[in-house]
Amino acid sequence: GEDVEQSLFLSVREGDSSVINCTYTDSSSTYLYWYKQEPGAGLQLLTYIFSNMDMKQDQRLTVLLNKKDKHLSLRIADTQTGDSAIYFCAESYGNNRLAFGKGNQVVVIP
Amino acid sequence: EAQVTQNPRYLITVTGKKLTVTCSQNMNHEYMSWYRQDPGLGLRQIYYSMNVEVTDKGDVPEGYKVSRKEKRNFPLILESPSPNQTSLYFCASSPQVANTGELFFGEGSRLTVL
Repeated sequence: GEDVEQSLFLSVREGDSSVINCTYTDSSSTYLYWYKQEPGAGLQLLTYIFSNMDMKQDQRLTVLLNKKDKHLSLRIADTQTGDSAIYFCAESYGNNRLAFGKGNQVVVIP
Repeated sequence: EAQVTQNPRYLITVTGKKLTVTCSQNMNHEYMSWYRQDPGLGLRQIYYSMNVEVTDKGDVPEGYKVSRKEKRNFPLILESPSPNQTSLYFCASSPQVANTGELFFGEGSRLTVL
């Protein structure tokens, strides 16, 4: 499969911004995704970006895509305690495969 | 309520005792997939299915079987479980076959093989 790299842990104070980074390998990926996994639950799709876009904003979430460096980031503004979770980036490859990163645990400190 | 349902949620078993983890979705999705989640390794795909009677190996299929006789069900079968199959398993489905990144996940099945 494809290789998607993420750092593993981030702590952030409530109200601050958090930024999670990810690098991917397949330059032909059509879509790139961010998933959130809350404790004891399955993953939920947070947002995605089409590969011909540089940025996508959705309320408190901003996704930045640097295609040249194959770098994807997720910025969460005004981080809240409910944002404590593991965040996975993922890239599509082929027409029906999805490669996930190892996940980045975000801990929000009240 | 639209959902992906897995059973059992928790299971402790012994080496060699065949088991099946069921997965059912009520969203009429064509695409279904199984993943395992292990610390430090993220999610790895075991098997996936594009439609009824169509299944393909993912990245870590060894020791697993699947079947897709009906659209809604995609059971994961461990014929002879071993301790290295101790993991957290997720079933997922997608409404799109061509772009399967929009996955809907079950709540997970935590399996321990002694």
